[in-house]
Amino acid sequence: ETGVTQTPRHLVMGMTNKKSLKCEQHLGHNAMYWYKQSAKKPLELMFVYNFKEQTENNSVPSRFSPECPNSSHLFLHLHTLQPEDSALYLCASSQDGTGFSRYTEAFFGQGTRLTVV
Amino acid sequence: GQNIDQPTEMTATEGAIVQINCTYQTSGFNGLFWYQQHAGEAPTFLSYNVLDGLEEKGRFSSFLSRSKGYSYLLLKELQMKDSASYLCAVTLREGYQKVTFGTGTKLQVIP
Repeated sequence: ETGVTQTPRHLVMGMTNKKSLKCEQHLGHNAMYWYKQSAKKPLELMFVYNFKEQTENNSVPSRFSPECPNSSHLFLHLHTLQPEDSALYLCASSQDGTGFSRYTEAFFGQGTRLTVV
Repeated sequence: GQNIDQPTEMTATEGAIVQINCTYQTSGFNGLFWYQQHAGEAPTFLSYNVLDGLEEKGRFSSFLSRSKGYSYLLLKELQMKDSASYLCAVTLREGYQKVTFGTGTKLQVIP
């Protein structure tokens, strides 16, 4: 238990479906992140939220739409995805928006394994 | 841009010592993380180096040479549970939240 919970753990969706991934952190952190992890590729940063405000969009296609209603919750809305979007989607949080450091290490959730068919 | 290189896979024997290397080319380097990720689980923090030198934490140590763009993670007295992927990641002085990860090194510990 890392204090960051992601649901669902597994998701299979068709290319015309709309689904959402949910992330909740119970650590009192103010920064939250979405990462994509594909086989044999590095973790790719997708979005960063600081105090509910989006501060980073790493050139992510518009078929991925993040939402951060408060500092404890983060969503990733998915629509008209492609098979190459199949991956493990990881949520992370850190203490505050001053970035990753020894004192603001990131805590990751266990991820949602997404398969697009 | 940034480039981070790690070996893809390594195998080591239980009880032995293994060194996992990470080299990076980046501008504006700030610090380097090591994370451990067991299959199907979340990455977990191991260490963060900003200054040159070796930092020891139990069976794990991490070394950084900023001038050489080089780091390694040293695992001593290997245990079967150390079988996992080890991710090297760098942070920049600017855009500090843009943590860039390497592809990870999958370590298999054998009896």
